[in-house]
Amino acid sequence: SQKIEQNSEALNIQEGKTATLTCNYTNYSPAYLQWYRQDPGRGPVFLLLIRENEKEKRKERLKVTFDTTLKQSLFHITASQPADSATYLCALSGSGNTGKLIFGQGTTLQVKP
Amino acid sequence: DTAVSQTPKYLVTQMGNDKSIKCEQNLGHDTMYWYKQDSKKFLKIMFSYNNKELIINETVPNRFSPKSPDKAHLNLHINSLELGDSAVYFCASSQEVATAYNEQFFGPGTRLTVL
Repeated sequence: SQKIEQNSEALNIQEGKTATLTCNYTNYSPAYLQWYRQDPGRGPVFLLLIRENEKEKRKERLKVTFDTTLKQSLFHITASQPADSATYLCALSGSGNTGKLIFGQGTTLQVKP
Repeated sequence: DTAVSQTPKYLVTQMGNDKSIKCEQNLGHDTMYWYKQDSKKFLKIMFSYNNKELIINETVPNRFSPKSPDKAHLNLHINSLELGDSAVYFCASSQEVATAYNEQFFGPGTRLTVL
């Protein structure tokens, strides 16, 4: 069955460092992959989308890579700030036209000042 | 000017009761979704509607019935509530379904507790 794995352990890093979060998937060939941020008690907020034929996407301090051979996406936050502390979710979608997203369980990032 | 709103934010009820959660989006989107986030934080799609038409119906007990009176509203009615229904329910919307660019906008969630 389709499976998405994100590191369930919290990631603790020092302010100013680069945070790298991992999303691995099996038994799936997504057409595109999305990353969302979720703060406690709130709904997820879209951050970035990357297509299967793209290797890398950037937006300000955020960078996403997508390796369909390794079946893995990496999400980087450079020059991290305490305000970046949140849970980050990856989500995969196929090429069908249903809009269905399959989410990972998320990785919680804690940036210490 | 909230984009996707849900009511109520919290819902505490007894087993066996029937309850509804309402969702409205003012983004002009065609597609709306219901997700369930369990205690382990997995966010799972339940239903989606495109222009009032049901297009995704995951393996969800038929005690759950979505209703879309118009494309800006998608309500979720739950009959005969069970303990396992306790979770946070999120409504979401997206501009179109049949595009690769399918960014979804989520509501604030409804925390349902069944006692």
